[in-house]
Amino acid sequence: DVKVTQSSRYLVKRTGEKVFLECVQDMDHENMFWYRQDPGLGLRLIYFSYDVKMKEKGDIPEGYSVSREKKERFSLILESASTNQTSMYLCASRPGAAGTYEQYFGPGTRLTVT
Amino acid sequence: EDKVVQSPLSLVVHEGDTVTLNCSYEVTNFRSLLWYKQEKKAPTFLFMLTSSGIEKKSGRLSSILDKKELFSILNITATQTGDSAIYLCAVRSSGNTPLVFGKGTRLSVIA
Repeated sequence: DVKVTQSSRYLVKRTGEKVFLECVQDMDHENMFWYRQDPGLGLRLIYFSYDVKMKEKGDIPEGYSVSREKKERFSLILESASTNQTSMYLCASRPGAAGTYEQYFGPGTRLTVT
Repeated sequence: EDKVVQSPLSLVVHEGDTVTLNCSYEVTNFRSLLWYKQEKKAPTFLFMLTSSGIEKKSGRLSSILDKKELFSILNITATQTGDSAIYLCAVRSSGNTPLVFGKGTRLSVIA
């Protein structure tokens, strides 16, 4: 069974804090993704990564950065959290281009910035 | 720009009803269309469709793709309260590109 785990289910941070959201997958997937999900806006892609140390901007990268030092781990960083970053954050992974394209999601982290 | 539009955005039905959820898309170099169900946490995979006219079925759920008219439908028959969820449609184009998601349909099934 593919497993994608995220470090926290719920997180409360103050404005201006640096926030780290961790995602780990155990199936040796090449591709990993970070989304945020807001009511009425659906899933929006923040950043993704095709391989270790590689990253690509998604649709809404502003205010975020990412790190992928190891294949199984993809971190999302909020350098200086703001209230408009209060959201549900979902991590996902899937195999590389040659494999099946089912994408597996983690359980999500609900971040509140006060 | 690739686009996926789902309709309706929300729907309330009674147990036992049949529902049809719609997903239309505009994608360059279409490869596949995926449906996910999201309850309280992570979206879970339902179907992946790549060919027109071939129905995929799992219990009371079924889905079909029309590549000529660029849409897919997800049918749920004899709905139950456990079917209440957000249903997400996503499309993948060629190459190793991210999925493009629609905004989802929120289905509420009431007893």
